[in-house]
Amino acid sequence: DVVMTQSPLSLPVTLGQPASISCRSSQSLVFSDGDTYLIWFQQRPGQSPRRLIYKISNRDSGVPDRFSGSGSGTDFTLKISRVEAEDVGVYYCMQSTHWPHTFGQGTRLEIK
Amino acid sequence: EVQLVESGGGLVQPGGSQRLSCAASGFTFTNHWMSWFRQAPGRGLEWVAIIKEDGSEKYYVDSVKGRFTISRDNAKNSLYLQMNSLRVEDTAVYYCARDGGNSWGQGTLVTVSS
Repeated sequence: DVVMTQSPLSLPVTLGQPASISCRSSQSLVFSDGDTYLIWFQQRPGQSPRRLIYKISNRDSGVPDRFSGSGSGTDFTLKISRVEAEDVGVYYCMQSTHWPHTFGQGTRLEIK
Repeated sequence: EVQLVESGGGLVQPGGSQRLSCAASGFTFTNHWMSWFRQAPGRGLEWVAIIKEDGSEKYYVDSVKGRFTISRDNAKNSLYLQMNSLRVEDTAVYYCARDGGNSWGQGTLVTVSS
């Protein structure tokens, strides 16, 4: 199985400051069709997960543009340009290139 | 608006069975793969299973292969997860999701305990 490794696991951030989460995969996530199926989810406290980003860098409808995704191959990053109070929660990367689909451990973002 | 509503969770003894359902609305169900995910209490997310639009392809995480069966009824816009030989470690909130997770339900809790 593809192992997804996130860092850091805990991320205290001051309001208005940027935040960055790294996600590394144990093998390339480039699919045979040329696309890379790397997804970022946000799970706010007490809520269901919500997809933020798909195929590395495509923002879902309604996702603020302060969220951005980047990377390639095995190395990916989720960035929040200016953290707001509503961004508190756990962020997960997931790969859906290979079976079984696998998640990172999650990164807990909190306000300092 | 996409709506996914899970049901069927509850308390079950180890070795028992449970069937989860997910009622979908607000989109063309037959155009989408559908997935089950789960989250053990205080833990991270785990992908469980996925089924193609017409039910012709199904994939599972190794830990549930041979015990869980994903299915769908396109006439009823419904997704199912039949869970047999349940183990304590299957205790989790189970979520249904469209495709690989672009919309999620609210989840249903399955507790496996004696």
